[in-house]
Amino acid sequence: AQSVTQLGSHVSVSEGALVLLRCNYSSSVPPYLFWYVQYPNQGLQLLLKYTSAATLVKGINGFEAEFKKSETSFHLTKPSAHMSDAAEYFCAVSRSSGNTPLVFGKGTRLSVIA
Amino acid sequence: DTEVTQTPKHLVMGMTNKKSLKCEQHMGHRAMYWYKQKAKKPPELMFVYSYEKLSINESVPSRFSPECPNSSLLNLHLHALQPEDSALYLCASSSGQPHSNQPQHFGDGTRLSIL
Repeated sequence: AQSVTQLGSHVSVSEGALVLLRCNYSSSVPPYLFWYVQYPNQGLQLLLKYTSAATLVKGINGFEAEFKKSETSFHLTKPSAHMSDAAEYFCAVSRSSGNTPLVFGKGTRLSVIA
Repeated sequence: DTEVTQTPKHLVMGMTNKKSLKCEQHMGHRAMYWYKQKAKKPPELMFVYSYEKLSINESVPSRFSPECPNSSLLNLHLHALQPEDSALYLCASSSGQPHSNQPQHFGDGTRLSIL
């Protein structure tokens, strides 16, 4: 069954530094993968999605993610962190069957230090 | 601004009260979802509606009762809730069937507190 693992429950970076949030997936078939962001007191907002059209996916707010089948990874990056990027980030995989259409990772909280 | 609108944003209720949460979307999506989210945790799926029919119920206690009056509207009726039901309740929608690999679009949620 498809699942995702997010490495690191909390990541802290300096403003202007590279952001790297890690996500590894487990799937026996090509997965559909998503990154969502949740700002305090808000719902989840879709950052980007991988649907097999291209391995490098560009999303909103300057984020991008690269699908690497050999590493079963879908890490999220941003070249330069901004204070407004501080939030909770969830990696998720879509399932083609079963009771849970979308399976979330446990989340990574990103802190940005001035 | 989100395209999935949830009301109310905050709700405080006693354990004997009856209240309802409302969710509305006008994107033409035919799959709608209710999630429960506790602090510092990912959302947990509660119910899924597909083409206005309940397709998934993740063993949710009967004190939570979902309703889908039409393709744009999803309600969650609450009765005799427990303190541990305090959480953020999120509604989401997606186009096509729930397992169609289309992304889910979330509302901002209702923050529920049970006294």
